[in-house]
Amino acid sequence: SQQGEEDPQALSIQEGENATMNCSYKTSINNLQWYRQNSGRGLVHLILIRSNEREKHSGRLRVTLDTSKKSSSLLITASRAADTASYFCATAYGSARQLTFGSGTQLTVLP
Amino acid sequence: EAGVAQSPRYKIIEKRQSVAFWCNPISGHATLYWYQQILGQGPKLLIQFQNNGVVDDSQLPKDRFSAERLKGVDSTLKIQPAKLEDSAVYLCASSFLRDGGVGTQYFGPGTRLLVL
Repeated sequence: SQQGEEDPQALSIQEGENATMNCSYKTSINNLQWYRQNSGRGLVHLILIRSNEREKHSGRLRVTLDTSKKSSSLLITASRAADTASYFCATAYGSARQLTFGSGTQLTVLP
Repeated sequence: EAGVAQSPRYKIIEKRQSVAFWCNPISGHATLYWYQQILGQGPKLLIQFQNNGVVDDSQLPKDRFSAERLKGVDSTLKIQPAKLEDSAVYLCASSFLRDGGVGTQYFGPGTRLLVL
């Protein structure tokens, strides 16, 4: 299956630092979405970026998309302990009417 | 606005037993998804409904898994008989889009299944 793959698999930072997670994918996409999953919970949608967009912001989140490199990054600024979670990128591509999720980045923010 | 509801939250069964999960999507959402999430992995789509019709069930192990959304609202996912490798979290999600596009999905809390 055509999946986005996140990098790194795990990231540990201090509170107040910035966290950057990357996602690479294989085929041309319609849009790319980032989701967060707290331990034992469902996924929560963070940001959707369309293939014709290069950057989007939402609060402390910044997402970039480079379609030439087939990659996206999620930046969380001024991280908080509450940001500790798994972060997944998901791609919508071609005629498929669904999302394909990567395996996620586990972010730990230490107080 | 009420979120996606799922029940039960946890289930422990013996292998070869049957189990069923229930999902009630957000009101007005035409599209409903069932995902399987194995520990340490991302969600994998099992089946997608639009209203009461199946859009994609290509990754559903049809010899043991079945799902229905009879009235185009709530849905059930059944496993019969269960295998050890079915131990996972089963997530239900819904989306408003009616035209087949892929937009934001809203997830329920999931059902954690352990098969012994």
